[in-house]
Amino acid sequence: GAVVSQHPSRVICKSGTSVKIECRSLDFQATTMFWYRQFPKQSLMLMATSNEGSKATYEQGVEKDKFLINHASLTLSTLTVTSAHPEDSSFYICSAEQGSGGETQYFGPGTRLLVL
Amino acid sequence: QKEVEQDPGPLSVPEGAIVSLNCTYSNSAFQYFMWYRQYSRKGPELLMYTYSSGNKEDGRFTAQVDKSSKYISLFIRDSQPSDSATYLCAMSAVNTGNQFYFGTGTSLTVIP
Repeated sequence: GAVVSQHPSRVICKSGTSVKIECRSLDFQATTMFWYRQFPKQSLMLMATSNEGSKATYEQGVEKDKFLINHASLTLSTLTVTSAHPEDSSFYICSAEQGSGGETQYFGPGTRLLVL
Repeated sequence: QKEVEQDPGPLSVPEGAIVSLNCTYSNSAFQYFMWYRQYSRKGPELLMYTYSSGNKEDGRFTAQVDKSSKYISLFIRDSQPSDSATYLCAMSAVNTGNQFYFGTGTSLTVIP
């Protein structure tokens, strides 16, 4: 199956700093990648849809100036949490779409962010 | 009304039991139906993918889609302790911009 990697897997940072999370599709090209946030014992909450070469589409309630998304190539999307605060602590998961017809998404292993 | 409804459980079964997990949905345009398994502190792993109605079998797993009832199921035969995880259903349609709609997930524990 298709493989998606995420780096780092875990990060601890001080309040006010910025954190960058990378999402890579290792064995396929992904025109579209997605960023999700997951709280404990809850389902995935879509934050934004990232399309290669264009601006990301953010879901309602997600601050685009705080969660910067860049999709510079067909295999890499990055999420930068700017000026992180403790309430940003969460599990962030990316996924990459294989195919262009809404067929399926393959998820990365997730990044656990803890802001102190 | 949520797009996708899934009983969160928790569901606890003895090893070897048949497990039935279900989701209902409201959008008749959904065409792609997926089941993901998520272990604690890990990303979701694709288990089954079905297009439109019908059944699909892969080893101990069987996915069923009934579009007329807007109902999908995942059956796990001969359940194993390693099947203990949260199972998420997801669905999408081309006319919704390929956005995935997830159920809340069902927590399953298989007791040895």
